[in-house]
Amino acid sequence: GAGVSQSPSNKVTEKGKDVELRCDPISGHTALYWYRQSLGQGLEFLIYFQGNSAPDKSGLPSDRFSAERTGGSVSTLTIQRTQQEDSAVYLCASSPDRGYDKNIQYFGAGTRLSVL
Amino acid sequence: TQLLEQSPQFLSIQEGENLTVYCNSSSVFSSLQWYRQEPGEGPVLLVTVVTGGEVKKLKRLTFQFGDARKDSSLHITAAQPGDTGLYLCAGVQYSSASKIIFGSGTRLSIRP
Repeated sequence: GAGVSQSPSNKVTEKGKDVELRCDPISGHTALYWYRQSLGQGLEFLIYFQGNSAPDKSGLPSDRFSAERTGGSVSTLTIQRTQQEDSAVYLCASSPDRGYDKNIQYFGAGTRLSVL
Repeated sequence: TQLLEQSPQFLSIQEGENLTVYCNSSSVFSSLQWYRQEPGEGPVLLVTVVTGGEVKKLKRLTFQFGDARKDSSLHITAAQPGDTGLYLCAGVQYSSASKIIFGSGTRLSIRP
């Protein structure tokens, strides 16, 4: 079966440009998470969507970051006016909200963003 | 604020040696997960420990959840080059069951 898909896998942009990162979660998973990972370190929580509830945006580092989840499925993370410190791997994960694997996060391969 | 601290941050050992990675917090978690991440890929779940004091074994890997549910350890016996990767612990909070806090990670390298 299909796993979590992220696109693009790599993105190089110039400072000041806007970028959009896409995540296709596993079908039927109601929870979707975005994380940022710098230099192969731990994961920094950005935002969490659960069904039709209001998203938990507590991890977004600035108002240049925003995310949407349309129709409870695909999600887009947008970074406006990119800065060099935004360079990182952006990981998306999805999770079912019930069953034996509730709270298990299934990750995509990530989008590596490089801001020049 | 980093709620989960892992140690060591980096570890390079010879094939066949044993090692232990630690995950510590001042917070209590309802459960704790361990993930492994290889270059260019997302983390993949290895195990979930739920009960205080619980020990789980996965071949040469032994995972333990502390009695107070604040810490965990991962012990690898007779490490092999295939064990190389980034190991991440992640705690599931009682206050928000679906917000999982990840540790800082331990980068493990096994030399042949």
